[in-house]
Amino acid sequence: SQQGEEDPQALSIQEGENATMNCSYKTSINNLQWYRQNSGRGLVHLILIRSNEREKHSGRLRVTLDTSKKSSSLLITASRAADTASYFCATDVPNDYKLSFGAGTTVTVRA
Amino acid sequence: EADIYQTPRYLVIGTGKKITLECSQTMGHDKMYWYQQDPGMELHLIHYSYGVNSTEKGDLSSESTVSRIRTEHFPLTLESARPSHTSQYLCASSEPGQGATQYFGPGTRLLVL
Repeated sequence: SQQGEEDPQALSIQEGENATMNCSYKTSINNLQWYRQNSGRGLVHLILIRSNEREKHSGRLRVTLDTSKKSSSLLITASRAADTASYFCATDVPNDYKLSFGAGTTVTVRA
Repeated sequence: EADIYQTPRYLVIGTGKKITLECSQTMGHDKMYWYQQDPGMELHLIHYSYGVNSTEKGDLSSESTVSRIRTEHFPLTLESARPSHTSQYLCASSEPGQGATQYFGPGTRLLVL
């Protein structure tokens, strides 16, 4: 069953603007990861945040995690055309090595 | 780019044909996975393996089968393809441990006529 759900489903922004997307999940997790998928390609890992962490940065990416609300957000700052892709959150739960992916947020960055 | 490969990248085939989708990785990962993804939709885990001679069914029921005879190779087979099997199939691998990053291949787009 789907553990994570991203919001919004789609997002269109101008180059240079920030893009924010959210992920909500249903059960307690060990870790939450964000992946990017360019059209017709496989997924690429972006960042992992552990359940005892609240915020993490990687380049232009900022991820937050609120375990009390069972939600995470991914912020992409100063977006570029190359950021156009679908973004997925994925969670793993205690005693289970598998990842559960959401339906993704499709981001379009207009030049 | 991850060292995980899938062939073919695209496959158009008629109903009833047997097909094998190939997946191989050179990272020495014990864990490997097959996902099915329809356009614009979430990934559904259909098979996974924790090592040689280990295969398990995933969360989404699938008529496909897999084998894991070698660490680096995790092929997926459909004995009799049907139009309902039309989808994108993604292979991934990861290191041991919970929360390990999964490395994905480029995917195989399958169209069954």
